[in-house]
Amino acid sequence: GENVEQHPSTLSVQEGDSAVIKCTYSDSASNYFPWYKQELGKGPQLIIDIRSNVGEKKDQRIAVTLNKTAKHFSLHITETQPEDSAVYFCAASMFSGGYNKLIFGAGTRLAVHP
Amino acid sequence: NAGVTQTPKFRVLKTGQSMTLLCAQDMNHEYMYWYRQDPGMGLRLIHYSVGEGTTAKGEVPDGYNVSRLKKQNFLLGLESAAPSQTSVYFCASSYWDTHLGYTFGSGTRLTVV
Repeated sequence: GENVEQHPSTLSVQEGDSAVIKCTYSDSASNYFPWYKQELGKGPQLIIDIRSNVGEKKDQRIAVTLNKTAKHFSLHITETQPEDSAVYFCAASMFSGGYNKLIFGAGTRLAVHP
Repeated sequence: NAGVTQTPKFRVLKTGQSMTLLCAQDMNHEYMYWYRQDPGMGLRLIHYSVGEGTTAKGEVPDGYNVSRLKKQNFLLGLESAAPSQTSVYFCASSYWDTHLGYTFGSGTRLTVV
């Protein structure tokens, strides 16, 4: 079945540095790739998404890139701040049973140190 | 606007007991989902619903049942809890497939002893 692999599982950076999280997916028909941020004790929140007809999308300090040929996509956070510390999940859409659903990666725990 | 509300937030069950987790959304979303979150395994889909009165199995449906009697509510039931069902459970909803992304609740931490 559809699989989404996410790396690294943990990432530690100094405040102001950049952070990059990478995901690969297996279903070439996937066409929607969201990223979620989960803070301690809360549910995941959508922070940015990209569709398969776009190669890159930016929103302030956050950007996502998509390489359809290689079937991988990445989250880039620039000028990291302590409040960026959280668990980040990537996901890819999968069409089965007549509907689209999201398959999630295992998550990356990002720690930003002051 | 409350979004997606899950109750209860915490629960401890003994093996063999039953319970129901409630998810309520006030955004008029058609689609609702139940995920479980385990360390190192991300979010795995248990069951989902594409509208009132419908339910379907996800990746890990065994040991769980669901019902969607009202559009705004999606119930997850455990008939005979097992320690392997210790997890954090998240409910999510969306307007239509994945077009607008999912809105998640804050989760229910369930421990089965």
